[in-house]
Amino acid sequence: RKEVEQDPGPFNVPEGATVAFNCTYSNSASQSFFWYRQDCRKEPKLLMSVYSSGNEDGRFTAQLNRASQYISLLIRDSKLSDSATYLCVVMNFNKFYFGSGTKLNVKP
Amino acid sequence: GAGVSQTPSNKVTEKGKYVELRCDPISGHTALYWYRQSLGQGPEFLIYFQGTGAADDSGLPNDRFFAVRPEGSVSTLKIQRTERGDSAVYLCASSPEGTGSTEAFFGQGTRLTVV
Repeated sequence: RKEVEQDPGPFNVPEGATVAFNCTYSNSASQSFFWYRQDCRKEPKLLMSVYSSGNEDGRFTAQLNRASQYISLLIRDSKLSDSATYLCVVMNFNKFYFGSGTKLNVKP
Repeated sequence: GAGVSQTPSNKVTEKGKYVELRCDPISGHTALYWYRQSLGQGPEFLIYFQGTGAADDSGLPNDRFFAVRPEGSVSTLKIQRTERGDSAVYLCASSPEGTGSTEAFFGQGTRLTVV
């Protein structure tokens, strides 16, 4: 079983839509959680860390449910520039484990 | 710039040849990671250094792969007798420390093509 599982998508949404991604992780002892964004042929870049209490950064909201071992990312008022692959990342024992990514296409 | 630097950005090599991929992490970052990413997949862990030592090399696929970080800064990933299946983007990342909730900063990667 993979450490981190995500729906690969693609999610095709119109500008202004709200879209949500989930991922699940297998190791209940996982320590830290992140969402990374990766543009085509570019390196992954941190979008936001995910905390148990949930956290928000502008149009982006991340939630962590430790009991169910899933992480979510909500994007409100989608912009064309949000089109990218979103990677769910879990840290266990000093190693970062990546999901395969969820592709988002925001259409005009 | 002050980011993670990887060279070369692209490498084409013939099957059976030896290649070296270089990573120059952010100054002062003690943790360094190598990942491999194939098309349509997330980055796959290869090896993690804390300082000069390989703290975890459990992701290296076989003994053709080896990595060093002799002075605790620059790291080199070495692949012997390359195979076509080694073709991928090799990503290096560094982090201020190997524990806690600190993020990993990635270089732009080396795209390796084995022909």
